[in-house]
Amino acid sequence: DTAVSQTPKYLVTQMGNDKSIKCEQNLGHDTMYWYKQDSKKFLKIMFSYNNKELIINETVPNRFSPKSPDKAHLNLHINSLELGDSAVYFCASTARTNTEAFFGQGTRLTVV
Amino acid sequence: QQQVKQSPQSLIVQKGGISIINCAYENTAFDYFPWYQQFPGKGPALLIAIRPDVSEKKEGRFTISFNKSAKQFSLHIMDSQPGDSATYFCAASSQGAQKLVFGQGTRLTINP
Repeated sequence: DTAVSQTPKYLVTQMGNDKSIKCEQNLGHDTMYWYKQDSKKFLKIMFSYNNKELIINETVPNRFSPKSPDKAHLNLHINSLELGDSAVYFCASTARTNTEAFFGQGTRLTVV
Repeated sequence: QQQVKQSPQSLIVQKGGISIINCAYENTAFDYFPWYQQFPGKGPALLIAIRPDVSEKKEGRFTISFNKSAKQFSLHIMDSQPGDSATYFCAASSQGAQKLVFGQGTRLTINP
């Protein structure tokens, strides 16, 4: 059983398109996250949701909009994709603050 | 502002040797210090973590050393094996912060 699952694993799209990445966790965790890993492998928080409520929005462009329909799901919608959005996006979840974060396998987004 | 600085960027160690990766942090509110291991095409996975009430934590071949006064912590991998070849990230968080702040990552290669 996959704890945190993301779809799709790979996403190739043209500039200007709108795309979504889905994330689901079956761990019963209350908090979910989106992290971005750039080409240099640097991992940076984008958003944090606790029980469907937005907690952190780390100066991410408005083109990125997270949606949490329930505490087991956190989706990421990106409008008007730009070349600089190319990266690997990771979903993660934790039971509570300062405990182990479980990461999904990542979604490699390539904007051409 | 890079709150967690990690070094070296890359490290090559012979099989059976000791791998050492160092991290320094700035925020004295940090009170949880995990290390994550990431293999190509996978999400980061928790390797070992420490809280500042202890100076060392050991799990098998992996040890975290923590120096609160110097605001530094390090990962030691004893008897390094080719299967340990991966990218390692230190991270830090504080109670209530709802996010992990990652170091830049270290690409470790263990030569057979």
